[in-house]
Amino acid sequence: SQTIHQWPATLVQPVGSPLSLECTVEGTSNPNLYWYRQAAGRGLQLLFYSVGIGQISSEVPQNLSASRPQDRQFILSSKKLLLSDSGFYLCAWSAPGGFQPQHFGDGTRLSIL
Amino acid sequence: GENVEQHPSTLSVQEGDSAVIKCTYSDSASNYFPWYKQELGKRPQLIIDIRSNVGEKKDQRIAVTLNKTAKHFSLHITETQPEDSAVYFCAASIVSGGYNKLIFGAGTRLAVHP
Repeated sequence: SQTIHQWPATLVQPVGSPLSLECTVEGTSNPNLYWYRQAAGRGLQLLFYSVGIGQISSEVPQNLSASRPQDRQFILSSKKLLLSDSGFYLCAWSAPGGFQPQHFGDGTRLSIL
Repeated sequence: GENVEQHPSTLSVQEGDSAVIKCTYSDSASNYFPWYKQELGKRPQLIIDIRSNVGEKKDQRIAVTLNKTAKHFSLHITETQPEDSAVYFCAASIVSGGYNKLIFGAGTRLAVHP
């Protein structure tokens, strides 16, 4: 069966520090991968998606970036965090193809001080 | 771009009653509509989804209906139980190019009281 791992579970970072969140998927090949952000009490906002290694599409202009160095690895990064980057970051995967449900990881709760 | 509105934002029902959550979408090309349940501090979990070529889908106590003309879809939970208490999110997407970009509603906090 397929599993998705996200780490760390929680992170507290100072303003201006760098960020690296990692997501890996097991039990499937060539998945579509997604990064979402959820502000407190709000819905999920799509940040990035990827249909293959090195292929990244950005949905929202911001100081975040994403990379996919391996087929089942998706990384969310920032060079300098802002206070507004606080939130709950969720990685998701789906099988290749359009009408495939997305399955979420456990998320990373990021607090910026 | 696509916009999804979800109502109500909060819903309180007695155990055993039915709960209905409604969503409207803006882009008539949207063709995939999933619903997710998120318990406090946990990951969203898919509970049911529907494609635009289907008007209704059921899975035990959960059903989703879709009205393409009016561009709205609804989640129906019958015989609610306390464990149904959670935040529910609807989403819409236009499936193309082998992927789908989900646009989520703001969520409905459902409380089921014993």
